Amino acid sequence: QQQVKQSPQSLIVQKGGISIINCAYENTAFDYFPWYQQFPGKGPALLIAIRPDVSEKKEGRFTISFNKSAKQFSLHIMDSQPGDSATYFCAASSNDYKLSFGAGTTVTVRA
Amino acid sequence: ETGVTQTPRHLVMGMTNKKSLKCEQHLGHNAMYWYKQSAKKPLELMFVYNFKEQTENNSVPSRFSPECPNSSHLFLHLHTLQPEDSALYLCASSQELLATDTQYFGPGTRLTVL
Repeated sequence: QQQVKQSPQSLIVQKGGISIINCAYENTAFDYFPWYQQFPGKGPALLIAIRPDVSEKKEGRFTISFNKSAKQFSLHIMDSQPGDSATYFCAASSNDYKLSFGAGTTVTVRA
Repeated sequence: ETGVTQTPRHLVMGMTNKKSLKCEQHLGHNAMYWYKQSAKKPLELMFVYNFKEQTENNSVPSRFSPECPNSSHLFLHLHTLQPEDSALYLCASSQELLATDTQYFGPGTRLTVL
């Protein structure tokens, strides 16, 4: 049973556009929500993370929006660049070391 | 070398072979993990070690056997695998065994079982 559902599976965006990836969860005990970025031939790397006590967190062009009542969170990539082309994974955890990952979204930024 | 390294990067093996995957972390971390990554599926946690002691075996078949001789090294011994075991196997480490501790991943071993 998949605990974190991620969509879309893939998206294509023009350079300078906004990429939006959505994740939904059911387990209300989840209290830590990281996003990982993975380039081809590399392992995932932490991009940005949020706790449910805030509704938004921004780091550079990357923003996480969190809706606790809807049990949804999303990643926005502003002014998308070709170097942002990668697979993005959302994840969630409930006060232990186990991360439940989404299935990933492959983002392609066209120049 | 820095970060988390994995060898080999690619491995092709028959169903009757025995092989081992190696992971080494140069970060001074105490926790190490094995994940399986299959296309279009979530990362699956397989094993977790904390201070060399196994703390998690996520219902992994016995044809996968982990070994952690010290906090810097982690092995995954493989024997009599099935074609459905073909995947990218990722090693990760974190300072402590906490979800909020960033997990640092290696580049993975691409395994193909014929």
